[in-house]
Amino acid sequence: AQSVSQHNHHVILSEAASLELGCNYSYGGTVNLFWYVQYPGQHLQLLLKYFSGDPLVKGIKGFEAEFIKSKFSFNLRKPSVQWSDTAEYFCAVNAGRGGSYIPTFGRGTSLIVHP
Amino acid sequence: DVKVTQSSRYLVKRTGEKVFLECVQDMDHENMFWYRQDPGLGLRLIYFSYDVKMKEKGDIPEGYSVSREKKERFSLILESASTNQTSMYLCASSLRRDGTYEQYFGPGTRLTVT
Repeated sequence: AQSVSQHNHHVILSEAASLELGCNYSYGGTVNLFWYVQYPGQHLQLLLKYFSGDPLVKGIKGFEAEFIKSKFSFNLRKPSVQWSDTAEYFCAVNAGRGGSYIPTFGRGTSLIVHP
Repeated sequence: DVKVTQSSRYLVKRTGEKVFLECVQDMDHENMFWYRQDPGLGLRLIYFSYDVKMKEKGDIPEGYSVSREKKERFSLILESASTNQTSMYLCASSLRRDGTYEQYFGPGTRLTVT
């Protein structure tokens, strides 16, 4: 069975600081990887996803993530955060082709950015 | 734009009541999902459906049932609500049984059982 770990449960930053949120998964085969974001009072929405090709994926609002297969990781990064990035961030993974299409979610990371 | 709508944003019910949560998507997605979201626990899958009248249990199906009579609509039923079912319930849909497609989420229903 696949599992997802998000090691940072709460992160507090000042504006312009750099951000890196960790995501590790356990599954031995091909995977599809996602980061979702939930802004206060809004619904969950996709930030970015990886399923093949370039392991460095760029998403909306200046976010990017790097898939490192050898480390089973898909960390989310942003070079300079803004107050509007305050939100909860979820990493999700599902098995690739031939496997289950049902994603497993991490427990989420709450990010607070102080102006 | 894909739209997933849920029948209520907030709901207050009494212990023992039967509760219906409705979800509708407008993009002809095959897959639909019900999750509950609790602080520190992330999203936990209750049930999912990959076709009309098809349903599969997720990780925490106890105390819940679902119905999918039409492709666009997926209902979650709490047969006899209990206080430990107080939570945020999220509906999602996705295209096809191919894991490369992301999920689209509704706004959520915050259910309080008293």
